[in-house]
Amino acid sequence: GAGVSQSPSNKVTEKGKDVELRCDPISGHTALYWYRQRLGQGLEFLIYFQGNSAPDKSGLPSDRFSAERTGESVSTLTIQRTQQEDSAVYLCASSLGSVTEAFFGQGTRLTVV
Amino acid sequence: RKEVEQDPGPFNVPEGATVAFNCTYSNSASQSFFWYRQDCRKEPKLLMSVYSSGNEDGRFTAQLNRASQYISLLIRDSKLSDSATYLCVVNGNTGGFKTIFGAGTRLFVKA
Repeated sequence: GAGVSQSPSNKVTEKGKDVELRCDPISGHTALYWYRQRLGQGLEFLIYFQGNSAPDKSGLPSDRFSAERTGESVSTLTIQRTQQEDSAVYLCASSLGSVTEAFFGQGTRLTVV
Repeated sequence: RKEVEQDPGPFNVPEGATVAFNCTYSNSASQSFFWYRQDCRKEPKLLMSVYSSGNEDGRFTAQLNRASQYISLLIRDSKLSDSATYLCVVNGNTGGFKTIFGAGTRLFVKA
């Protein structure tokens, strides 16, 4: 079946603009994660959704970042008033449960100019 | 202390060498463990799960020591194509299970 799908694959935006990134998880996967990866750096946890539980937002770096997920479907990550330091690849992953392997999308490469 | 810690690397090895990656985790309630591989400018992909009894897949061997909260990955007879970043992954329980990635160790295999 289809894997995790992210859109857009690339996004260039001007500093101060808002951006919205989309993630379509694998059907039936209850867990969904967003990570950020700056060039040459490791994965930075942002937010985690598990079913209908309250999301774990402990990794969001500032109140400019927010994410939503309706049920076990699509998630959107919104970054308001983008800054140059927001430039990174934003990776989404989903898993069948909270302890099973996670499958990644190909990421959205965000460049803030 | 980070929840998952790995050797910082990078490791530079010749073809045919054996290379070992080590990882420690802080949460003793962690339940599942994985090694992922990430190629340059690509997303991470599962390499292998790690079981308490240890497991092997061809040239790759993964081991888990729950008492020491330690995970390892051994690559034997390394190939040029093994060059990548290797990520230790733990499903932790910090107010709810979630997947925690180590920072990764970069491996360069040279001819």
